[in-house]
Amino acid sequence: GNSVTQMEGPVTLSEEAFLTINCTYTATGYPSLFWYVQYPGEGLQLLLKATKADDKGSNKGFEATYRKETTSFHLEKGSVQVSDSAVYFCALSPIYSSASKIIFGSGTRLSIRP
Amino acid sequence: NAGVTQTPKFRVLKTGQSMTLLCAQDMNHEYMYWYRQDPGMGLRLIHYSVGEGTTAKGEVPDGYNVSRLKKQNFLLGLESAAPSQTSVYFCATTLRGRTGELFFGEGSRLTVL
Repeated sequence: GNSVTQMEGPVTLSEEAFLTINCTYTATGYPSLFWYVQYPGEGLQLLLKATKADDKGSNKGFEATYRKETTSFHLEKGSVQVSDSAVYFCALSPIYSSASKIIFGSGTRLSIRP
Repeated sequence: NAGVTQTPKFRVLKTGQSMTLLCAQDMNHEYMYWYRQDPGMGLRLIHYSVGEGTTAKGEVPDGYNVSRLKKQNFLLGLESAAPSQTSVYFCATTLRGRTGELFFGEGSRLTVL
C-alpha cells in the first residue's frame, strides 16, 4: 500500500543553520508529493509540492526534489530562522487518487534557537 | 477572505454528551474533510464529502457522524462523547482534481472528561 515515512523529531537547530527533514514514500506509479507546515495554534498550510519525478518544489526558501530512484522528497532550507519553528508534514496523493487517498506522515517538529 | 472557518474553537464535554462541530468554507470547493490530530499519530481522516448531499467514511469513522446539506458547510457530530475522542479536529477543503492541495481550518480543540 501507499505510505509516507518522516524522520523522527523533534529537531532543534540554531538560527542560520542548514535544515534537512527526510521523507521517503512507498507508492505505485507516480504520486504527487507535498510538504505542509503547521505553525503553533494553526491549521496546516501547503508549503510546496511536486507532481512528477525530478520536479523541485520551492517556497519561502524551502526546497524539496522529487526523487523517484530513491523514493524520497526531503525538505531543505539553507538558513533557518526562528520563525520557521513549526511542525512539518510530508504527504502524498496517489496518481488517479480518489478524494480520500491523501496520506500524511506523522510530522516532524522543528525548533530554532535564536 | 475567511477561507475555512471552524466553530467552536474550544469545547469541553462530559462523557456521554453530544455536540456538533461546524466547518464553513467560502472557496466553492467540492471536497471537504474532517481529520483528527493526536500526539505522535499525525492526521487521521474521520469522514469526507465529495459534494453536497454525499458523505463517506475515512480511516477512523466510529463514534462520529457527518452531514453536508449545503456545499459550503460540513458538520461533524459526536452523539455520545467518549474520552478517546479528546483531540484537535481539523476541517479541510480542496477542489476536485487537486486532491493533495488542502486548505485547512484553524482547528477545534475538544476535551472529553
